[in-house]
This record gives sequence, C-alpha cells and structure tokens, in this order.
Amino acid sequence: EDQVTQSPEALRLQEGESSSLNCSYTVSGLRGLFWYRQDPGKGPEFLFTLYSAGEEKEKERLKATLTKKESFLHITAPKPEDSATYLCAVRTGGFKTIFGAGTRLFVKA
Amino acid sequence: DAGVTQSPTHLIKTRGQQVTLRCSPKSGHDTVSWYQQALGQGPQFIFQYYEEEERQRGNFPDRFSGHQFPNYSSELNVNALLLGDSALYLCASSFFGSDAASLGHSNQPQHFGDGTRLSIL
Repeated sequence: EDQVTQSPEALRLQEGESSSLNCSYTVSGLRGLFWYRQDPGKGPEFLFTLYSAGEEKEKERLKATLTKKESFLHITAPKPEDSATYLCAVRTGGFKTIFGAGTRLFVKA
Repeated sequence: DAGVTQSPTHLIKTRGQQVTLRCSPKSGHDTVSWYQQALGQGPQFIFQYYEEEERQRGNFPDRFSGHQFPNYSSELNVNALLLGDSALYLCASSFFGSDAASLGHSNQPQHFGDGTRLSIL
C-alpha cells in the first residue's frame, strides 16, 4: 500500500539553528514529490516539486532533496516566520496525491 | 491573479443533514481535487474532477459526491452528515491539459484554497 511518513511530528528550533525534516515514502511508480507549507487556518502553500532521485530545489532558507526512498527539507538559519506545518505529498501512477501527516515547526526568537 | 477560492469559510450543521461546498479553481487550471483534513493530520484525498467527470476516488463512502461545471468550478456534496465528518475541506486545482492527457498523468503541482471548516453538532 502506498504510504508517506514524515518525521519528526514536531520540531522546536532556536532562531538560526539549522535542521532537516524527513519524508519517507513507499509508492508504486513515483510521479512527483511535493512539499507544502501550511499556516494555521490556511490551505497548504506549494513550495517545491521533485521528480527524480538526486534532484534538489532551493528557495530562500529552504532546500529540498530527493532519494529513491525519502526526501529531506533542509532549513538553514530559520527565522520565527518559518514556523508552520510542512507537508510532504507524493503522486503515484494515477491521479491521487498522498499526503503525510506533516511536521510542525516552531522557531523561537 | 485570483487563486483558488472556496465558500463558505465556515459551516455548522447537525447530524443527518446535507451540505454543499463550492470551489473556483485558479485561473488557467482545469482539474479540481477535494481533500478532507482532520485536526493535526495531513489532507486525505476524496476525489478528482476533470472534464466534468470524476476521474479517481479515494476511500470515502458514496455519501460524498461531487460535480464539476463547464467553467471548471466544482461542488462537494456530503449527505447524511456524521459527527466524524467534522473537518477542514480543501479544494485544490491544477492544470492537466492535452500534453498530460497523452501521457496519462500530470506532474503539475496542486494549488489549494483556504478551505471550508465544517462542524457537525
């Protein structure tokens, strides 16, 4: 069965303390892996799409990487405004997108 | 450029009632997907509409149904509401188009609205 698991469930960082979020997946036929950011009371905001192992994407303090079994979202020198829930999702051979439960990130000034 | 818009933002219903939620996709998008997000969980896929037809469905009962209109907007209908239907309902749109149709799949990302918060009493 297709599955997406994110870890840790929650992460507390000091401002400037870099870290990584993990997304591991088991799917039949990966068509794309997506990272989203979700703020409280809002819908998910698209960040990155990764298609194949070895691919990397960057945006400001965020960098996403992909291997054959997992993806990492690296956060460099985070700021309090980076506090949010980060969601990982995979699209399989059909039209269905499967989401993980998310990692709640708290960055303290 | 208007993004995905959903209405209403909040809704309170009682068990057994029926509800209709509405979604207008981002300009240029032709595909609409609906998700249910329980508190503290990731979105769960309900179904996807393309060319006014349901293209794929997740593990949700027939009480959940939908519709897509010629202008690509969509509705989600839920009948015989249960307490467990309380959740944030998200609409997401994306562009599929003829190139993806020939491939049988699309890698285009989905863009989400801010959802409808449905509470069942």
